[in-house]
Amino acid sequence: AQSVAQPEDQVNVAEGNPLTVKCTYSVSGNPYLFWYVQYPNRGLQFLLKYITGDNLVKGSYGFEAEFNKSQTSFHLKKPSALVSDSALYFCAVSSARGSARQLTFGSGTQLTVLP
Amino acid sequence: EAQVTQNPRYLITVTGKKLTVTCSQNMNHEYMSWYRQDPGLGLRQIYYSMNVEVTDKGDVPEGYKVSRKEKRNFPLILESPSPNQTSLYFCASSLSRQGAGETQYFGPGTRLLVL
Repeated sequence: AQSVAQPEDQVNVAEGNPLTVKCTYSVSGNPYLFWYVQYPNRGLQFLLKYITGDNLVKGSYGFEAEFNKSQTSFHLKKPSALVSDSALYFCAVSSARGSARQLTFGSGTQLTVLP
Repeated sequence: EAQVTQNPRYLITVTGKKLTVTCSQNMNHEYMSWYRQDPGLGLRQIYYSMNVEVTDKGDVPEGYKVSRKEKRNFPLILESPSPNQTSLYFCASSLSRQGAGETQYFGPGTRLLVL
C-alpha cells in the first residue's frame, strides 16, 4: 500500500525567511507527487506536481519542490516566506501502477508565517 | 469559470435523517471523487467515479452512497447519518483517472455536523 508522511504538524517561520515543508512517500513503481494548499474556509488548491523529468519542480506563488528518489522525499520550499503563505499544506502521491482510487494524502502541515 | 461547486456549504442534521450533498463540475471531467477531511488524518477518499454509471469504493465508503447519472454531477448520499460522519467533505474532479498524474480540482467543501 502506498503512503505519505508529513512529519511536522506545524511549521512556523518568520516572514522573509526560507521555508520548507517536508514530505516522504512510499509507493510501488514510479510516483506521481503533488502539493496542494488549503486556505481557511476554502477547498484545496493545486500548487505543483512531479510526474517525470527535472527533479526540481516550480509551481504557483513562488513555491518549488525537489523530488529525491533515493530519499523518497518531495519537500516543498520557498526562498522567502510571506504572511499570506500561512495555510494548511498537503502532500499526495499516486502512481501509474496504482488503481484509479489511489491518490493518497498526507495528514497535512499547518504553516504559519510570522510577521 | 471552470469550477467544482458543492451544496450546501454548511449542514447541521440529526442522526438518521437522510441527506444529499450535491457536487457539480463544468469542465467535462471524466473522473470525480469524494473525500472527507478530519483533523490529523488528512483527506480520505470515500467514493470515486471514472465516468457516467461507473462508481467504486474508496478507503472509507461505509455509510455513504453515490451515483453518477450525468457526467457533471456526483452527489453524495448519507442514508442514515451518524455522529461519526461529522466532517468536512470535499468533491473533486480531474480530466481522467488520478493514476495518470492528473491534477484534481476541488470544490469549496461542505461542513457537516450530525447531532
